[in-house]
Amino acid sequence: GQQLNQSPQSMFIQEGEDVSMNCTSSSIFNTWLWYKQDPGEGPVLLIALYKAGELTSNGRLTAQFGITRKDSFLNISASIPSDVGIYFCAGPLDGNTGKLIFGQGTTLQVKP
Amino acid sequence: EAGVAQSPRYKIIEKRQSVAFWCNPISGHATLYWYQQILGQGPKLLIQFQNNGVVDDSQLPKDRFSAERLKGVDSTLKIQPAKLEDSAVYLCASSLALAPTSNTGELFFGEGSRLTVL
Repeated sequence: GQQLNQSPQSMFIQEGEDVSMNCTSSSIFNTWLWYKQDPGEGPVLLIALYKAGELTSNGRLTAQFGITRKDSFLNISASIPSDVGIYFCAGPLDGNTGKLIFGQGTTLQVKP
Repeated sequence: EAGVAQSPRYKIIEKRQSVAFWCNPISGHATLYWYQQILGQGPKLLIQFQNNGVVDDSQLPKDRFSAERLKGVDSTLKIQPAKLEDSAVYLCASSLALAPTSNTGELFFGEGSRLTVL
């Protein structure tokens, strides 16, 4: 079945550093979503990508929809302590529905 | 605007017991989802409702899990009997529309109900 693979699994960085993480799929997606989950909370949408090649920013976050439609990247610039959390990529299981499949997550820790 | 409300936040039961979780979506959101998140994994869809009808329950273990959304607003998810492997966070989410290809399709998640089965 469809599967999303995220890397790295975890990152421990110094405050102020830039962060890159990616997500790959064995099949094509027409939408890529990036969520962040804080401890004890539900995931919150950070960025949504709807077109191959699209590059979208949200503050210090930038995400790209890969040209092959099988991958996506999320970059965080100048990390701060509140960036700590788990970042998930997600895509729709069936075309244009809200049934999402999630990656296994990238855990980010930021050292002040 | 109030977010997605879930209760209880935490529940500890013994295996073979039953448990129910409740969700109140954001007002006006037609689509409601239940996801299961096992520790260290991403959320996995269990069931999707559009108003009070089931859109997809193909990943719901129907021998022990049931869910309903009788009046098209609140929803309950029940597990009976519970197994050890059901220990997880059960997340409820809602969206205005069915599809994530527009900004009305964004899923808003609740804080989740953490279940521990002993």
